[in-house]
Order: sequence, then C-alpha cells, then structure tokens
Amino acid sequence: AQSVSQHNHHVILSEAASLELGCNYSYGGTVNLFWYVQYPGQHLQLLLKYFSGDPLVKGIKGFEAEFIKSKFSFNLRKPSVQWSDTAEYFCAVNAYSGGGADGLTFGKGTHLIIQP
Amino acid sequence: DAGVIQSPRHEVTEMGQEVTLRCKPISGHNSLFWYRQTMMRGLELLIYFNNNVPIDDSGMPEDRFSAKMPNASFSTLKIQPSEPRDSAVYFCASSLGQRNTIYFGEGSWLTVV
Repeated sequence: AQSVSQHNHHVILSEAASLELGCNYSYGGTVNLFWYVQYPGQHLQLLLKYFSGDPLVKGIKGFEAEFIKSKFSFNLRKPSVQWSDTAEYFCAVNAYSGGGADGLTFGKGTHLIIQP
Repeated sequence: DAGVIQSPRHEVTEMGQEVTLRCKPISGHNSLFWYRQTMMRGLELLIYFNNNVPIDDSGMPEDRFSAKMPNASFSTLKIQPSEPRDSAVYFCASSLGQRNTIYFGEGSWLTVV
C-alpha cells in the first residue's frame, strides 16, 4: 500500500515570500500525484496533478510542483505567496494498477498561514 | 456543470441515532469515494466504488458503518448506531476512470453528541 508524507505540518510566511512544501510518497509502481487545497470551511479543490510527461507541472493560482522519481518526491512551490493562499494543502497519490480508479491516499496536510 | 452534491451539509444528532449521508456524483463519473476528515487522523478513505460495485471497504472503521451505491447517480453512507467519535466531515468524491482527477463534494459536517 502507498503512503504519503508531508514534512511540514504548519508553515507561517509573510506575503511575497517563496513557498516550498515537501511531499514524499512510498510506492514502487506507477503513481498519479496530486496537490489539493482546502480553504477554511471549504471542500478540497485540485491545485495540480501529475500523471506522466514533463515532471514540472503548473497548476492554478501560480502554483507548480516537480516530480522527482528518484526521490519519490512531489514538492509544491510558489515564488510569491499572497494572504489569500492561507489554507490547508494536501499531497495525494493513487497507484496505477491498471484496473478501475483507486482511492487517493492523502498526506496529513500542511497548514499554511500567510501574514500580511 | 454541477459538481459532487452531498446532503445534508450539516447534521447534529444524538448518540445512538442512525445517520444517513447522501451523495450524487458528477454525471458520467464511474468511480465514487467516501472520505472522512478529522483533526486527529486527517483524510481517510473509507470505501470506494467502481461502476457501482464496492471495490475496497477496508477503510470502513467498524460494522456500524455501511455504504451502498444502488445506481450510478446515488450513494449513501450510513452509521448505525452513531457515536461521538464519529463526529467528522465526510466527503464524497467522484472521478471518471483511473487516470482522471477526483472531484470532491462540499462535505457533510456530522456532530454526534
């Protein structure tokens, strides 16, 4: 079974600072990788995803993530954060087993607070 | 397009009562997932269905929990009897096939007192 580890549970940054949230997964086969964001009191929304191809993927709101297969990592980055980026960020993986869809396995989440 | 629709959005119930959460997946999606979110355990996959068939229910915490998907456009998650430790946000999600994005509903906020 796969597992996902997010290194930082809480991150506090000032506006305009650069962001990098770490994510590592454990699974030996082919995986699909996702970052979801959950704003306070809301549901999860997809930020970006990686299935195959270019390991550097760009998502909404200026976020990007890089898949490094040798490190089993899929870190999320944003060059300049805004106060509105305050939210919970979840890294997720699902294994590609060739059958129907498998459920996502989520990391514990990183609570990001952006100070004005 | 309508997203994943869940009901009720909020429910407060007394311990021992039956709770039924409902979900309508996005039209055309053939995979449906139930997740539970708590502060202590984060997001946990409870069960998922492919083409209305339960595939993996290993995440269902105990026999008090059951889920059904009688057709492609409707699923229920039932807790009977409910306990205070079941208090959580329950998310339903759906996707089309395996290599597609999983879309989440807005969640059902359950409080058992």
